[in-house]
Amino acid sequence: EAQVTQNPRYLITVTGKKLTVTCSQNMNHEYMSWYRQDPGLGLRQIYYSMNVEVTDKGDVPEGYKVSRKEKRNFPLILESPSPNQTSLYFCASSPGQDLYNEQFFGPGTRLTVL
Amino acid sequence: AQSVSQHNHHVILSEAASLELGCNYSYGGTVNLFWYVQYPGQHLQLLLKYFSGDPLVKGIKGFEAEFIKSKFSFNLRKPSVQWSDTAEYFCAVNVPEKLTFGTGTRLTIIP
Repeated sequence: EAQVTQNPRYLITVTGKKLTVTCSQNMNHEYMSWYRQDPGLGLRQIYYSMNVEVTDKGDVPEGYKVSRKEKRNFPLILESPSPNQTSLYFCASSPGQDLYNEQFFGPGTRLTVL
Repeated sequence: AQSVSQHNHHVILSEAASLELGCNYSYGGTVNLFWYVQYPGQHLQLLLKYFSGDPLVKGIKGFEAEFIKSKFSFNLRKPSVQWSDTAEYFCAVNVPEKLTFGTGTRLTIIP
């Protein structure tokens, strides 16, 4: 089944404890992206990747890192999480990022930073 | 930079009522437009999309949207809503290398 998977789905952590949220897609998509969803703010893009070893900042990259060593994986790293990073995170992928591609979303990771 | 506005933050309707959710965008170039839906506890799913051609596009579950270029709008409509349409709806604008979302509209359908 074509899908985007994320792990973990739920995570409660404490300030400053490094964490990684994994994202994997099995559709051979070139483009991958991370969003955070907050009430009243919709989805905001954190980072995106046009292809392997190519990443770029989205609208809200502060406090996050990403890597794209393989086409299928695009982990999101929080080196020193803070409470303002408590949010619902979505990974998405698409065949490319021209005008015509829809994005496919993962199930989401609900992160709470205490 | 492009932006997307969804002016209805929370809409409450009774079953069988008609629905129209507003979406306006600001971008001067060619855009593609999407509506995504997020059912409670689930991830975003594509409802419909507009690329070119007929400005009235039909999506899944009886939804449709009309692209009005002169008004920079892409409003979502459904003639008769059902309880199962309770969800959050996001309008999105796709320009090269970037998909920008509106803030979302929460739709609550009362049986």
